[in-house]
Amino acid sequence: SQQGEEDPQALSIQEGENATMNCSYKTSINNLQWYRQNSGRGLVHLILIRSNEREKHSGRLRVTLDTSKKSSSLLITASRAADTASYFCATDALNTDKLIFGTGTRLQVFP
Amino acid sequence: GAGVSQSPSNKVTEKGKDVELRCDPISGHTALYWYRQSLGQGLEFLIYFQGNSAPDKSGLPSDRFSAERTGGSVSTLTIQRTQQEDSAVYLCASSLGGLQPNSPLHFGNGTRLTVT
Repeated sequence: SQQGEEDPQALSIQEGENATMNCSYKTSINNLQWYRQNSGRGLVHLILIRSNEREKHSGRLRVTLDTSKKSSSLLITASRAADTASYFCATDALNTDKLIFGTGTRLQVFP
Repeated sequence: GAGVSQSPSNKVTEKGKDVELRCDPISGHTALYWYRQSLGQGLEFLIYFQGNSAPDKSGLPSDRFSAERTGGSVSTLTIQRTQQEDSAVYLCASSLGGLQPNSPLHFGNGTRLTVT
């Protein structure tokens, strides 16, 4: 079974708006990663947050991690049509490098 | 440098036939993963290779599925006696693994398998 569940399953917004996606997971982790997938392509790594970190920024991306709630959020600010893609969180459980992916959020940004 | 390469990009096969999917990871990457993605769904973990350690096969859905990694590089995922429910995109990824803990995964573009 998958480690992570994401919500919403789908999100539609206008260019310039912010997009927030949430991820919940089940077991204690070493770190949590976010990936992006354009239609018909492989996944591309966006950002990694370690279990001892609470917030991390990379350009227009902001990731938070709450290990007490076993949840993370990905915020994309000032969205662009090119941000249209599916976004997945991935976690590795303690004592393993195996990376398990969530169910993903399909983001549509309208110009 | 070259990224992760998967072949074929598309494969159509008849139910009951065997198929082999190939993955060429990034040179020097010790970790290699196979995932399966059904249409519009998330990634389902299949198998994980790390260096010379025994692979983690815990995600393989049945004994019709097997994978090997020769010489710590190229990997082949084999599906025997394919069924229609095997139709999906099979994604391969590699990373530096134990050489650099927490290193990100680099994905290929996948093989789209259709079983008719």
